[in-house]
Amino acid sequence: SAVISQKPSRDICQRGTSLTIQCQVDSQVTMMFWYRQQPGQSLTLIATANQGSEATYESGFVIDKFPISRPNLTFSTLTVSNMSPEDSSIYLCSVEKGGQGEGYNEQFFGPGTRLTVL
Amino acid sequence: AQTVTQSQPEMSVQEAETVTLSCTYDTSESDYYLFWYKQPPSRQMILVIRQEAYKQQNATENRFSVNFQKAAKSFSLKISDSQLGDAAMYFCAYRSYDGGATNKLIFGTGTLLAVQP
Repeated sequence: SAVISQKPSRDICQRGTSLTIQCQVDSQVTMMFWYRQQPGQSLTLIATANQGSEATYESGFVIDKFPISRPNLTFSTLTVSNMSPEDSSIYLCSVEKGGQGEGYNEQFFGPGTRLTVL
Repeated sequence: AQTVTQSQPEMSVQEAETVTLSCTYDTSESDYYLFWYKQPPSRQMILVIRQEAYKQQNATENRFSVNFQKAAKSFSLKISDSQLGDAAMYFCAYRSYDGGATNKLIFGTGTLLAVQP
């Protein structure tokens, strides 16, 4: 399994500012993922972050808006830039680790960061 | 592109009773994984159960079992002997077997399960 922590757990920010969310894992992992969960909705993948390479962004998400760092195998940050009220969401970090048998990798999720933009 | 549909936004069950949550999906792939995730009010998402598409046998984890119908692209979750702690949002999710560039999960919109004492 993997124990994941995120900082901050919640924040209230002003329009036009930026917030950096940290994700720390208790063991080394190759793949880390950042998801967004808008109020009352499902999870949408923002990007995949592999250590030593540029993050891969999903359609509708761009690096200028959501820059990601992955300096080592246990840590990643997601920045939400130039925020607007539409960015109010829960942002979740997820990691992939080997599971039971057959080369299966399970995804584990952090507790999330609840962001409110005024 | 793959899609996952959960047609029940909310469900309710009496404690100790059985409830079934529905999930359908669309894919052209033959090998893939299906999952049910639970997200309690505390928000920490946890895996409930996983099914490999190449396995005909339905997965079971204690009180949780699935009814996997590959031809119908249906993947329902049955919770037996429901407990108060089962109250949560349940997400059905799909992942390609190979993964490709990203092993991303594709989530349904979720079913909010309430358990009545």
